[in-house]
Amino acid sequence: DVKVTQSSRYLVKRTGEKVFLECVQDMDHENMFWYRQDPGLGLRLIYFSYDVKMKEKGDIPEGYSVSREKKERFSLILESASTNQTSMYLCASSIGHNYGYTFGSGTRLTVV
Amino acid sequence: GENVEQHPSTLSVQEGDSAVIKCTYSDSASNYFPWYKQELGKRPQLIIDIRSNVGEKKDQRIAVTLNKTAKHFSLHITETQPEDSAVYFCAANAGGTSYGKLTFGQGTILTVHP
Repeated sequence: DVKVTQSSRYLVKRTGEKVFLECVQDMDHENMFWYRQDPGLGLRLIYFSYDVKMKEKGDIPEGYSVSREKKERFSLILESASTNQTSMYLCASSIGHNYGYTFGSGTRLTVV
Repeated sequence: GENVEQHPSTLSVQEGDSAVIKCTYSDSASNYFPWYKQELGKRPQLIIDIRSNVGEKKDQRIAVTLNKTAKHFSLHITETQPEDSAVYFCAANAGGTSYGKLTFGQGTILTVHP
């Protein structure tokens, strides 16, 4: 079974803090993704990466950045956390263009 | 970019009834359409998918149909059971060099009453 592991299940951070969300996958997948999930809005793509050091913006990249220094690890960075970034963050990986994702368990981030 | 619309947002059925969830997409180059089930407090799990060279696919009580001309696809669950209660998401990939990027629908909360 492919495993996608997110380092934290719950996080509480203060406004203005720099926040790091970590994601690791163990199946040598090329593609990794960060989504946020909000009720009624579904899953919205923040950033994705198709190779080490390669990244592309998704639909809602503002206020976020990413890092992929190793193939198995994809980090989401909130440069200066704000309350409107309170959400569930889901990491996913996939093997290629016409294949489904394997999701991590999610990180519920609360910014106060 | 791709836009995926999903309906209904909530669906309530009696155990044993059928449930149908519908999605439309905008990118005519999309060729991969997965469905995910997310139980309360858990990660989304892939339950079935269909590629554009196929019109219908079935796996036990679940089936997916695809109409490329109309750009819509549907999830059908027969003989529903309480454990089918969950949020269901449809998705479509982007055409061209998209590296497997998926656009998701807004989700359908399915409740199956015993």
